[in-house]
Amino acid sequence: SQTIHQWPATLVQPVGSPLSLECTVEGTSNPNLYWYRQAAGRGLQLLFYSVGIGQISSEVPQNLSASRPQDRQFILSSKKLLLSDSGFYLCAMEIGAGLDGGEQFFGPGTRLTVL
Amino acid sequence: SQQGEEDPQALSIQEGENATMNCSYKTSINNLQWYRQNSGRGLVHLILIRSNEREKHSGRLRVTLDTSKKSSSLLITASRAADTASYFCATAGGSYIPTFGRGTSLIVHP
Repeated sequence: SQTIHQWPATLVQPVGSPLSLECTVEGTSNPNLYWYRQAAGRGLQLLFYSVGIGQISSEVPQNLSASRPQDRQFILSSKKLLLSDSGFYLCAMEIGAGLDGGEQFFGPGTRLTVL
Repeated sequence: SQQGEEDPQALSIQEGENATMNCSYKTSINNLQWYRQNSGRGLVHLILIRSNEREKHSGRLRVTLDTSKKSSSLLITASRAADTASYFCATAGGSYIPTFGRGTSLIVHP
């Protein structure tokens, strides 16, 4: 069965500091992977998605970047955090994808607070 | 935008009652999905309904899709306190990448 690991679970960082959030998946190969951000009381904003190693598509221009160095690893980074980067970051993979699309399987998330 | 908009934003009911949440969207879709999120947790997939389907069931959940009205509804029958969560709809168009709405916060009082 599929599993998604995200770490850390919570993070408090000062403005201007760097960021690295890691997501690893198990139980599947060559998955489509996604990074979402959820602000308090809001819906999910798609940040990046990846269909394979080294292939990253950005949905929103911002000071964040993503990388996929291995098939089952997806990393979200920033060189300098902003206050507005605070939120709940969720990694997801697509499962059961067919002609009509698949469902998203989510990790447990990372709560980031930028002070 | 493909983004679905849930209605109502918040819903408070008693245990045993039915809960109905609606989702409206603006452009044509390939599928629509409903997800549940408990506070501080990741989302859990509930149901995917394709654009050529009108109704799907899963246990106490019933989802309908009306593509002519660009709307969907999620019905939870005989609600339980454990159903307390936020519920999101996600629409997917040609890219099949889902776009999420802001969610409905459901509180079921025991």
